[in-house]
Amino acid sequence: QSALTQPASVSGSPGQSITFSCTGTSSDVGGYNYVSWYQQHPGKAPKLMIHDVSNRPSGVSNRFSGSKSGNTASLTISGLQAEDEAEYYCSSYTSSSTRVIFGGGTKLTVL
Amino acid sequence: EVQLLESGGGLVQPGGSLRLSCAASGFTFSNYAMNWVRQAPGKGLEWVSGISGGGTSTYYADSVRGRFAISRDNSKNTLYLQMNSLRAEDTAVYYCARDVNAYTYGDFDCWGQGTPVTVSS
Repeated sequence: QSALTQPASVSGSPGQSITFSCTGTSSDVGGYNYVSWYQQHPGKAPKLMIHDVSNRPSGVSNRFSGSKSGNTASLTISGLQAEDEAEYYCSSYTSSSTRVIFGGGTKLTVL
Repeated sequence: EVQLLESGGGLVQPGGSLRLSCAASGFTFSNYAMNWVRQAPGKGLEWVSGISGGGTSTYYADSVRGRFAISRDNSKNTLYLQMNSLRAEDTAVYYCARDVNAYTYGDFDCWGQGTPVTVSS
């Protein structure tokens, strides 16, 4: 089972909106609504930002939103802030023998 | 407050065994699937294994199936990972993570601080 495909890096300026992509197949992202997004700062544990494609856990800023179209899921951060600089990972349930797969991660740089 | 605290990591020789534990508090442990996720040095996240809230269903990544065994003791609010036949590529920080569901679907809303495992001679 291959990992989900994420761009290695993205960058943006404070106040801008930025969108991350996460591409899978019909066996994972495209077939189920169990797509999650995680934020990880260096040396820290990951933090759940979005689950089930577009649900935001309590305590997560409403600047973060998620969506899906076909085999590609997206995470959008609006009003970019310096504290958003981190690595972002997507994950999905998969019907393969490996039940959950992650993307390779996208490094966000806030200019 | 929901808390997960891993322990049991360390240095082990190739072919050796190690047992990780994750002590949970602040929630009804048996209501949630629990998982192990690892991160090799400088690399991304890799889901390793999961177990349903009642402990009746277990799941494994292809990379560890047949070598690792996940279990839980709901009376002790503790999750375990027995790791056998360890290889250098198993070297990673191992995180304990709670799924928002009773079965593993990849929605991990709470994570421990991680315990490092190094496989080296």
